[in-house]
Amino acid sequence: AQSVTQLDSQVPVFEEAPVELRCNYSSSVSVYLFWYVQYPNQGLQLLLKYLSGSTLVKGINGFEAEFNKSQTSFHLRKPSVHISDTAEYFCAVSISFDYKLSFGAGTTVTVRA
Amino acid sequence: SAVISQKPSRDICQRGTSLTIQCQVDSQVTMMFWYRQQPGQSLTLIATANQGSEATYESGFVIDKFPISRPNLTFSTLTVSNMSPEDSSIYLCSVLEREGGDTQYFGPGTRLTVL
Repeated sequence: AQSVTQLDSQVPVFEEAPVELRCNYSSSVSVYLFWYVQYPNQGLQLLLKYLSGSTLVKGINGFEAEFNKSQTSFHLRKPSVHISDTAEYFCAVSISFDYKLSFGAGTTVTVRA
Repeated sequence: SAVISQKPSRDICQRGTSLTIQCQVDSQVTMMFWYRQQPGQSLTLIATANQGSEATYESGFVIDKFPISRPNLTFSTLTVSNMSPEDSSIYLCSVLEREGGDTQYFGPGTRLTVL
């Protein structure tokens, strides 16, 4: 079975500073990788995904992530954050043929002025 | 992406009672899932809702506690039976969209509090 580890439970960051959220996974087969965001009191929204092809994927709101197969990582980055990026971020993985998502524990990003 | 709605959006229930949560999608989808998000925690898959057959449950979840129906390709229900305070969670349904890549999209969730 696959598993996901988000290495940082909380990331405080100042507005306009860069942010990186780390995600590592384990799986014996090929996987699909996702980042979801959950704004306060809202549902889950897809930020970006890696299914195949280019290892650098761009998502909504200026986020991007890089798939590194050798390091089994899928870290999320944004070069300059806004107050509105304050949210919980979840990394998720699924085996390509069964689509069931396994989620990491989540990273709380708090952006301060 | 598909538009997903859930009813109710929130509820407060007494222990020992049951609650049925509805999930409606605006287009036909092949796969639907139910997840639970306990307070302050991540999401855990409860089951895959199969159209025309019994749901497939993940380890730790059983049909007697979480019966699921899926009568057609746009609708599913999850019942939380004989509730206890430990069932207080957000319950989310999701759908798999094949077009544009195999991606799951989530409903807004049902926030359940059991007293």
